[in-house]
Amino acid sequence: GQNIDQPTEMTATEGAIVQINCTYQTSGFNGLFWYQQHAGEAPTFLSYNVLDGLEEKGRFSSFLSRSKGYSYLLLKELQMKDSASYLCAALDSNYQLIWGAGTKLIIKP
Amino acid sequence: GAVVSQHPSWVICKSGTSVKIECRSLDFQATTMFWYRQFPKQSLMLMATSNEGSKATYEQGVEKDKFLINHASLTLSTLTVTSAHPEDSSFYICSAKETGGSFSEKLFFGSGTQLSVL
Repeated sequence: GQNIDQPTEMTATEGAIVQINCTYQTSGFNGLFWYQQHAGEAPTFLSYNVLDGLEEKGRFSSFLSRSKGYSYLLLKELQMKDSASYLCAALDSNYQLIWGAGTKLIIKP
Repeated sequence: GAVVSQHPSWVICKSGTSVKIECRSLDFQATTMFWYRQFPKQSLMLMATSNEGSKATYEQGVEKDKFLINHASLTLSTLTVTSAHPEDSSFYICSAKETGGSFSEKLFFGSGTQLSVL
């Protein structure tokens, strides 16, 4: 079956760095997404990786290893507004998005 | 950036009534729209994929007669929850894929609808 695993919850300190991991098992693979979702709101796009390696975008970076079925989202210089859920989603061979349950990130001052 | 308008943002209704949720792409055409539901602290669950001018494709376990989807134009898809019951209470989210666009660049989400059935 198809499956996405990511931690349920993480806590970090304002100004610090946090890495949110995601492992996936899908029927075929056409890329991996990271979305940010604040409570009661729709997800907003953060990143898309389809090739191995690290993609940096400001304070956020995303890494992909296709051979390991693994990705991580790296958040630097954490701000209180970064408190949200972070959703990992993989695009399978049928171009269907398979969603993880999300990682709730709590930022403490 | 592209905007997807979802309306209403929240709705409270009595058990047995029907509720219609609209998903509208404001500045682009969307051949394909997706409807999700999300329970607290859980992932997005795809309910159905709607394509303009054709019948929606429902995911396994989703009752097509209960969750009616209409995608009559390239900018509007509607989800009607018929004879709603308390167990239908959930957060419903739509997303729209711009015609000819890729998932990585042209998939946009609506702001969601919180449905509470009393």
